[in-house]
Amino acid sequence: NAGVTQTPKFRVLKTGQSMTLLCAQDMNHEYMYWYRQDPGMGLRLIHYSVGEGTTAKGEVPDGYNVSRLKKQNFLLGLESAAPSQTSVYFCASSYLKGVGTQYFGPGTRLTVL
Amino acid sequence: KNEVEQSPQNLTAQEGEFITINCSYSVGISALHWLQQHPGGGIVSLFMLSSGKKKHGRLIATINIQEKHSSLHITASHPRDSAVYICAVGSSNDMRFGAGTRLTVKP
Repeated sequence: NAGVTQTPKFRVLKTGQSMTLLCAQDMNHEYMYWYRQDPGMGLRLIHYSVGEGTTAKGEVPDGYNVSRLKKQNFLLGLESAAPSQTSVYFCASSYLKGVGTQYFGPGTRLTVL
Repeated sequence: KNEVEQSPQNLTAQEGEFITINCSYSVGISALHWLQQHPGGGIVSLFMLSSGKKKHGRLIATINIQEKHSSLHITASHPRDSAVYICAVGSSNDMRFGAGTRLTVKP
């Protein structure tokens, strides 16, 4: 099992460009999450999904959109990147929400110039 | 004030020392998680607990629900334990993370 994978691992964007980050899990988990991690701050939830076809906003959703067309995939989109979105992005999945062990992807380091 | 506070922020220890990292939270929770993030960036779950104490190898995690406090202990620390340790609290609605404790264990 690959667990949780993320693509790409690194990306540099110019302000205003768009991109999509892909998260895939092979554990048949219902719940999937996108977090961002910034220096000196804890992980912050951007969006999450409680199942195929569903998404919900987390703590810091502005500037991001998500889709979960297939149970195993959770996509994070940046429509018009801003320097404030420079961060490391982690995807995670779990069997239970909040009380279940979360399995994290390796992260995507995004720089917006 | 953050909902999840960890202390210390940074910790340097000599190999073999006993390590304690603390986590206090201010919200109602269903479970508390301890995570480890290695210098390469990957995050792994160490423990999930809702009461009492759990042990895995040299790592011990405890939680006091009444005091809203948890501790992560590392016995006989080793340089390979050097990492950022993250406390997170989960409820049915959300999961909130502490800023992490950076541990460096010197040989």
